[in-house]
Amino acid sequence: EVQLVESGGGLVQPGRSLRISCAASGFTFDEYAMYWVRQAPGKGLEWVTGSSWNSGTIGYADSVKGRFTISRDNAKNSLYLQMNSLRPEDTALYYCAKDATTGDSGSYSFDYWGQGTLVTVSS
Amino acid sequence: QSALTQPASVSGSPGQSITISCTGTSSDVGGYNYVSWYQQHPGKAPKLMIYDVSYRPSGVSNRFSGSKSGNTASLTISGLQAEDEANYYCSSYTSISTVVFGGGTKLTI
Repeated sequence: EVQLVESGGGLVQPGRSLRISCAASGFTFDEYAMYWVRQAPGKGLEWVTGSSWNSGTIGYADSVKGRFTISRDNAKNSLYLQMNSLRPEDTALYYCAKDATTGDSGSYSFDYWGQGTLVTVSS
Repeated sequence: QSALTQPASVSGSPGQSITISCTGTSSDVGGYNYVSWYQQHPGKAPKLMIYDVSYRPSGVSNRFSGSKSGNTASLTISGLQAEDEANYYCSSYTSISTVVFGGGTKLTI
């Protein structure tokens, strides 16, 4: 059974940093691209960033470029998101998601999602 | 990276069919066959319903179908059931190697 479990969320002051993690199990982690998608309270989905299976292709939404960094440790079946210079508008539930297909870039569709970790940016 | 355009809400009666549109540009929806649709019930994680424009993941009902014409993708749900009531989001790969979502459509049965 595929499982994605996010952790590390919490309350953080504006301008500070936070690192969230996603522990994956139930599939061959190093064969799939992985992503972070967020959802602000009462709002829609927003793609944040994604990494190919080998970290060779990484992309970021304009809203986080230069502040957020995605990384993965295939030996530990884990995905990470380092968030720096946090802003109140970064407040959201952060989901870890798996690509639906294998391959260098995948299909940019997300067939398994975690339950999310809540990041609140407030003073 | 402008969001894809979806109607804010649609409604239908049990047994009927509805279609939700998702309009982008030639740099996203129109340029690639990487359009996906997600269903999200309140308080739950999204569920993939359609990927690569028209493919259904294993376990998704064949009442759900996807298509694309030019810069507009569509999700059709036939034989509406009460459990289909949810928010639906489209997404697309873009020419700058990112993914963009639509604003979401609330389906009321």
